[in-house]
Amino acid sequence: IAGITQAPTSQILAAGRRMTLRCTQDMRHNAMYWYRQDLGLGLRLIHYSNTAGTTGKGEVPDGYSVSRANTDDFPLTLASAVPSQTSVYFCATSGGSADTQYFGPGTRLTVL
Amino acid sequence: GQNIDQPTEMTATEGAIVQINCTYQTSGFNGLFWYQQHAGEAPTFLSYNVLDGLEEKGRFSSFLSRSKGYSYLLLKELQMKDSASYLCAVVDSNYQLIWGAGTKLIIKP
Repeated sequence: IAGITQAPTSQILAAGRRMTLRCTQDMRHNAMYWYRQDLGLGLRLIHYSNTAGTTGKGEVPDGYSVSRANTDDFPLTLASAVPSQTSVYFCATSGGSADTQYFGPGTRLTVL
Repeated sequence: GQNIDQPTEMTATEGAIVQINCTYQTSGFNGLFWYQQHAGEAPTFLSYNVLDGLEEKGRFSSFLSRSKGYSYLLLKELQMKDSASYLCAVVDSNYQLIWGAGTKLIIKP
């Protein structure tokens, strides 16, 4: 693993289905983040984790949940997908909350 | 509310210089980042400013004025590969990153 990986790369999902986006890092960073990026709106923070075992809500957390069981993994779950969750999702990590963030390659999700 | 303003799109000529401005109104300030994002790719780190003044890094420079809530990214000797979106982000009082919508830079030969 080199840096941050995300899976899947892209996904088409029927509305109402449950979906988990995976994010794994090998940088040993404490902090991890999930963003969504929509045209014209920039990056919006969904959830974050400052260290393993803790999570927090960002700007747009509704409809999403996260867990941080260990340092490396930070999955994002959509319990019941809706079309408004169609977006590009980026996972990011940083050494601390004000440090440079490093981004994974992204997951393009389409909810029909 | 918190707000980051950047121009939506700019066009420049290969070999020229371009300045991308960013103004911000946030609850507190703990630094400002510039990221580059090529189409279909992830953002990548360009620069970080926490004190007033100019930070130079090769062809790219970033300037900060905290009293004016203002920053700019200066790109010199433009190359076609500089065509990308440039994102401004401010670290607020809660140490969260507040992102601008980005400036799409188009480079013409």
